[in-house]
Amino acid sequence: SQQGEEDPQALSIQEGENATMNCSYKTSINNLQWYRQNSGRGLVHLILIRSNEREKHSGRLRVTLDTSKKSSSLLITASRAADTASYFCATLPAINFGNEKLTFGTGTRLTIIP
Amino acid sequence: EPEVTQTPSHQVTQMGQEVILRCVPISNHLYFYWYRQILGQKVEFLVSFYNNEISEKSEIFDDQFSVERPDGSNFTLKIRSTKLEDSAMYFCASSEGGSEWGETQYFGPGTRLLVL
Repeated sequence: SQQGEEDPQALSIQEGENATMNCSYKTSINNLQWYRQNSGRGLVHLILIRSNEREKHSGRLRVTLDTSKKSSSLLITASRAADTASYFCATLPAINFGNEKLTFGTGTRLTIIP
Repeated sequence: EPEVTQTPSHQVTQMGQEVILRCVPISNHLYFYWYRQILGQKVEFLVSFYNNEISEKSEIFDDQFSVERPDGSNFTLKIRSTKLEDSAMYFCASSEGGSEWGETQYFGPGTRLLVL
């Protein structure tokens, strides 16, 4: 598999439910960032978690990072119709200090059913 | 809240023509980037730029591509002779830089380039 792969590829849930998306990667990282992209639009930054952190919260978002398993999860609680979008993880490899080249995953397409 | 802006939002060009995509990064940021996303595919890194020079580039960023910071605010991507496969959404991003952990990269809304 490639650096930065999300699963599931697509997820449909009822409004109000929680949505969990996972990301796996292969190389050592400095940080992992989650982005949202509405259809055909720009990338909106959601949250950054450093490699020495295990969990971060931002509003209804909760991100975890397990560097031993090279995986991260994004939890969106109490989902809303406006959360419908594609979600991407992006990793900054540990070797890239100073250059900050992000490697993006394949994305999870989240659909919230009203 | 400061944001990255890009112009134009859409660009249609004929194969072989030159295009210049423009970006205004966030004003106090030091690192600038171009990424692209071919329809239905991953976002791919093209190039990073720091201190008025390229700091890293990908295999995609061949001699047909160039970047420039012509003044204190703009950051441009030039494609000299466009090919059909250059059709994609091009994203500019910027970050403060300097942290050993890396910083948040803020993306612009993108320029959708269509090469005919």
